[in-house]
Amino acid sequence: DAEITQSPRHKITETGRQVTLACHQTWNHNNMFWYRQDLGHGLRLIHYSYGVQDTNKGEVSDGYSVSRSNTEDLPLTLESAASSQTSVYFCASSAGQGLEAFFGQGTRLTVV
Amino acid sequence: GENVEQHPSTLSVQEGDSAVIKCTYSDSASNYFPWYKQELGKRPQLIIDIRSNVGEKKDQRIAVTLNKTAKHFSLHITETQPEDSAVYFCAASASGGGADGLTFGKGTHLIIQP
Repeated sequence: DAEITQSPRHKITETGRQVTLACHQTWNHNNMFWYRQDLGHGLRLIHYSYGVQDTNKGEVSDGYSVSRSNTEDLPLTLESAASSQTSVYFCASSAGQGLEAFFGQGTRLTVV
Repeated sequence: GENVEQHPSTLSVQEGDSAVIKCTYSDSASNYFPWYKQELGKRPQLIIDIRSNVGEKKDQRIAVTLNKTAKHFSLHITETQPEDSAVYFCAASASGGGADGLTFGKGTHLIIQP
C-alpha cells in the first residue's frame, strides 16, 4: 500500500545544530507539504512543493529550508536549531488541487 | 493570506447527542474545505471535505455545510459515540486549491461524556 513516512519519529538536538527531518511518500504525489503543530496554534504551513525542483515558503518558513530532488522525498532542514522550533512536525502529500492531503506519522523535535 | 477561525476550542457533549463545530474563513477565493480528525498522538486524518460548488455533504453520521456568502462552514456529528472523542481541525485552501497548502483552524477538542 502507498504511504507517507517520516523519520525520525523523535529527536532531541542542541541549540545551534543543523537538523534534517525526512519525509518519503510512495503515492507518487506531486504536492508535498511540511507543517508544524503547536498547542494553541493548530497546524501551520512551513514549506511546500509542487514537484521536483520546486519549493515555496509557507506561513512560518523562517529558519527552515526544503529541497525536492525527486518526487518521493521532501526533507526539512533546520539550519541552526532554536528552542522556538521545539514542536511536532508533520509532512503531507496530495495528488493535486482540492484533493485529500495525507499526513505522515509526525516527528517530535525537542531543541535543548 | 487566508485566515481560518474555529469555535469552540473545547466541546463536551453527552454520548448520543449531536456536536457542531464552526469555522469561518477570510479568502473568498478559497474553494476547498476539509475536516481532519486527530486522535491523541496520531496523525490528522481526513473525515469529510466539501468544495465551494456544494452547500452540504453527508457521510453517515457526519455532515458538513458551507455558506459561501457568509464565509463559514460547519461540521455536524450526530449520535456521538465514545470513539468520536478527538481533536477536529477545519481547513481552507488559500488559493482555491490544495497545491498551496491548507490553512488550518486551531482545533476543537471534542469530549464525549458517557
